Amino acid sequence: GEEVAQTPKHLVRGEGQKAKLYCAPIKGHSYVFWYQQVLKNEFKFLISFQNENVFDETGMPKERFSAKCLPNSPCSLEIQATKLEDSAVYFCASSQGQGWQPQHFGDGTRLSIL
Amino acid sequence: KQEVTQIPAALSVPEGENLVLNCSFTDSAIYNLQWFRQDPGKGLTSLLLIQSSQREQTSGRLNASLDKSSGRSTLYIAASQPGDSATYLCAVGREGAQKLVFGQGTRLTINP
Repeated sequence: GEEVAQTPKHLVRGEGQKAKLYCAPIKGHSYVFWYQQVLKNEFKFLISFQNENVFDETGMPKERFSAKCLPNSPCSLEIQATKLEDSAVYFCASSQGQGWQPQHFGDGTRLSIL
Repeated sequence: KQEVTQIPAALSVPEGENLVLNCSFTDSAIYNLQWFRQDPGKGLTSLLLIQSSQREQTSGRLNASLDKSSGRSTLYIAASQPGDSATYLCAVGREGAQKLVFGQGTRLTINP
């Protein structure tokens, strides 16, 4: 598609439950990025993929967070045993990976942990 | 570690004014710099991207400049309109496919 599509728009989970977020990148974009936005404007990089391969995972809290980008499927970000501090808006972005081409962002998934 | 700072945090101006938003970064080894706007409850809309070899980029009423050696970028908005009200974020990338490091944003309000 022409836009980065993220689902669901809003996800509510009780503390300790699992949360799974999805992202369909723009068709033809080979790079996918996940960011976490907390406290209004603080963006934190989580992980990026080049096609189905992890490209950079330096931002991932590895004990509970995992992500995949499989062929012919939306990318996913999964959080096991959620904590209150995981409440945030999670953004997915995609790009063609060249320096002169921007990252395009989806509308985000608002995750609320109760 | 790259740090990106945006000043001011908030700005309110009357409609029609020209204005400048500032962005500074600590590590000049960047590959590109991107300006975004974010409307409440929405994602980021890419406004302009400047590669490290460029000095400025223009799109309509927007002009972004980059001074890599001093670690600064500005976003100039001409003839501001109420529809320009949003949060503006700058972000720097180290390489073409690398993660972006974001500033905290400037919340802009244009008063009719």
